[in-house]
Amino acid sequence: RKEVEQDPGPFNVPEGATVAFNCTYSNSASQSFFWYRQDCRKEPKLLMSVYSSGNEDGRFTAQLNRASQYISLLIRDSKLSDSATYLCVVNNHDYKLSFGAGTTVTVRA
Amino acid sequence: ETGVTQTPRHLVMGMTNKKSLKCEQHLGHNAMYWYKQSAKKPLELMFVYNFKEQTENNSVPSRFSPECPNSSHLFLHLHTLQPEDSALYLCASSEVDRGNEKLFFGSGTQLSVL
Repeated sequence: RKEVEQDPGPFNVPEGATVAFNCTYSNSASQSFFWYRQDCRKEPKLLMSVYSSGNEDGRFTAQLNRASQYISLLIRDSKLSDSATYLCVVNNHDYKLSFGAGTTVTVRA
Repeated sequence: ETGVTQTPRHLVMGMTNKKSLKCEQHLGHNAMYWYKQSAKKPLELMFVYNFKEQTENNSVPSRFSPECPNSSHLFLHLHTLQPEDSALYLCASSEVDRGNEKLFFGSGTQLSVL
């Protein structure tokens, strides 16, 4: 089983729509969780950390479900600029961050 | 000035060439990383340096040789590479904070091995 699994998508949504997707992780001892955003041919950039109580940053909401070992990302009121690949990242031990292969979101006008 | 600068942006090399990738971070971080990203695959951790000491070497072939002269600079020396080594190579840095490492990436080097 892969350490971090994501639905590759693509999720094609119209502007203004809400889109949500999950990421599952295999190590129940995982300590911290993040969402990164990667634009085509660019480097990944930290979007947000994911906290146990769930957290929001503008139109983005992240949730953690430790019992079922998944995290989620929800994007409200999608913008064209939200089109990107979203990488799920799990910290299992010290410096060993495990990356998912990414979920591609395409927002159309 | 960006936080993590990486050069070159693009590199084409033959299998017999020797080249080096360079990374510099201006964030005062104490850990630096090399990752490999192949198409449609997750980022693969190659090497980690923490306070200039190599703490991770993820079974990377010896044709990849890292060098970390100080906490701000990181190199990846390449020699006798194979076509399957063609990928995006990303440098990153972080402040070591057990369980909460947030990575800051350079813009990457798109490497093509002919």
